[in-house]
Amino acid sequence: DQQVKQNSPSLSVQEGRISILNCDYTNSMFDYFLWYKKYPAEGPTFLISISSIKDKNEDGRFTVFLNKSAKHLSLHIVPSQPGDSAVYFCATQTSYDKVIFGPGTSLSVIP
Amino acid sequence: NAGVTQTPKFRILKIGQSMTLQCTQDMNHNYMYWYRQDPGMGLKLIYYSVGAGITDKGEVPNGYNVSRSTTEDFPLRLELAAPSQTSVYFCASSNRVGTDTQYFGPGTRLTVL
Repeated sequence: DQQVKQNSPSLSVQEGRISILNCDYTNSMFDYFLWYKKYPAEGPTFLISISSIKDKNEDGRFTVFLNKSAKHLSLHIVPSQPGDSAVYFCATQTSYDKVIFGPGTSLSVIP
Repeated sequence: NAGVTQTPKFRILKIGQSMTLQCTQDMNHNYMYWYRQDPGMGLKLIYYSVGAGITDKGEVPNGYNVSRSTTEDFPLRLELAAPSQTSVYFCASSNRVGTDTQYFGPGTRLTVL
């Protein structure tokens, strides 16, 4: 039973356009949400996070939106760059518990 | 400052063999984790540790063992390797559990034939 779902295994976007990666979760007790980015042959690296008390967090070209009533979060990348091509993992956790990762979405940004 | 290092990078095992995946972090983090990633799947937690001498099972611990004798090292032991253990293994560390970033090593790609 997947607690964190990323229903799009892959996504292709033109350079300069917006990339939108989606994530759904099942447990309303989750109160912290993260996105990790992973290049081939490397470990995941932290990208951006959001607490459940917020509905938006922005860091440069990356913005994460949280809709708690829908148990949905999304990552927006604007503008998309070829270097953003990677696998993006959505992850959730409670403040006292371990992280649960989604299956990942592979983003390809086409020059 | 190397962060989290893992050895080896690649390994091929025969069914029934044993091996230890090494993980070391130099950030003085209390928490350390072992994950496996199978194709098309997210990272599944195998074992974790909240400090030297303290370990606990994660979501998929069967077939693995861990120890944590120092803050820096968190080796993962595979006993009697099986094809189902073919995966990429990632070690990670964080300063605390909960709302804290995890730092990952580069991974070990293990194939069991």
